[in-house]
Amino acid sequence: AQRVTQPEKLLSVFKGAPVELKCNYSYSGSPELFWYVQYSRQRLQLLLRHISRESIKGFTADLNKGETSFHLKKPFAQEEDSAMYYCALSRGNDMRFGAGTRLTVKP
Amino acid sequence: DADVTQTPRNRITKTGKRIMLECSQTKGHDRMYWYRQDPGLGLRLIYYSFDVKDINKGEISDGYSVSRQAQAKFSLSLESAIPNQTALYFCATRGADTQYFGPGTRLTVL
Repeated sequence: AQRVTQPEKLLSVFKGAPVELKCNYSYSGSPELFWYVQYSRQRLQLLLRHISRESIKGFTADLNKGETSFHLKKPFAQEEDSAMYYCALSRGNDMRFGAGTRLTVKP
Repeated sequence: DADVTQTPRNRITKTGKRIMLECSQTKGHDRMYWYRQDPGLGLRLIYYSFDVKDINKGEISDGYSVSRQAQAKFSLSLESAIPNQTALYFCATRGADTQYFGPGTRLTVL
């Protein structure tokens, strides 16, 4: 069965510090992985997907098949990055989400 | 993204009542989803549909049913609501690249 684990429910960093949100997955096939973000009082929106290998708002995520991880990183956190972050795994038409990590960036 | 809308946005009901949550989309996507969001549990998939003739159970379908009335409409029903169904419910569609979420419906079952 496919499963997504985000081990940290809460993460707090200071502005300008590096941040890493962890995501591990279990899936026997070739995964399609995503990071979604939910800012306060807004709907979920896509942040990035591993296929596109892009950087969005300074965030990057690399798929590590050996460690079955897809950690989200940003070298210098900003206060506006404070939000709820969800890692998600897609298998065909199905999409499964992790429990989420609430990131707080303190001034 | 105003292309995915949900009604109502908030609802308070009593145990045992039948409740329907509605979702409409103008994105022209075939694939639609219902999730519930609970603190500490993230989003869990209730049901999903590939087209009007296709309905699939997700992780937590017990106590819920759905209806795909048209490509643009996907409704979620709670036949007899119970307090542990109190949650934030999201509808989503899926295009070629990602999912697009509605604003959510906050349901409280007393």
